[in-house]
Amino acid sequence: AQSVTQPDIHITVSEGASLELRCNYSYGATPYLFWYVQSPGQGLQLLLKYFSGDTLVQGIKGFEAEFKRSQSSFNLRKPSVHWSDAAEYFCAVGAGIDMRFGAGTRLTVKP
Amino acid sequence: GAGVSQSPSNKVTEKGKDVELRCDPISGHTALYWYRQSLGQGLEFLIYFQGNSAPDKSGLPSDRFSAERTGGSVSTLTIQRTQQEDSAVYLCASSIQREQYFGPGTRLTVT
Repeated sequence: AQSVTQPDIHITVSEGASLELRCNYSYGATPYLFWYVQSPGQGLQLLLKYFSGDTLVQGIKGFEAEFKRSQSSFNLRKPSVHWSDAAEYFCAVGAGIDMRFGAGTRLTVKP
Repeated sequence: GAGVSQSPSNKVTEKGKDVELRCDPISGHTALYWYRQSLGQGLEFLIYFQGNSAPDKSGLPSDRFSAERTGGSVSTLTIQRTQQEDSAVYLCASSIQREQYFGPGTRLTVT
């Protein structure tokens, strides 16, 4: 059965610093992978997705993620964090009825 | 184009009352999902509609929860005899392929 683990519940970074949010998954086949962001009081917005091909995918708002099959990981990165990036980030694997979401990582950005 | 919309955005109800939450998916999206997000938690799958097929109700936590989707479009999630543990944000998502597009959610508070 597929599952997603986000090891970090809460991360704090300084504005302008780089960011990496971890995501590990368990999936029986080639996974479909997603990162979503949820700002306070909002729904989830799709940041980026991986289905196949180039393992480094670019998303919106300057985010990117790299699929590493050998490590079963799909970590989210951003080279320079902005205060507006403070939000909850969810990794997801699968598709349709089989999609599974991680528990989320809350990002706090210090001035 | 218009995204997924949900109404109401906030609902406060007394314990024991029934509530109805509405979701308007993106036009043309055949799949519709309901999730529950409790404070500080990830997403808990509730129910899934796909086209004209029978819905997958495997995530509904009790028989007090039900949902319908009329005409393959608008969906209503009904919670009967609400309990305090029903307090959460209820998210709706629609999709036509692999990625899901989320509405802003309805925050339900049961007093």
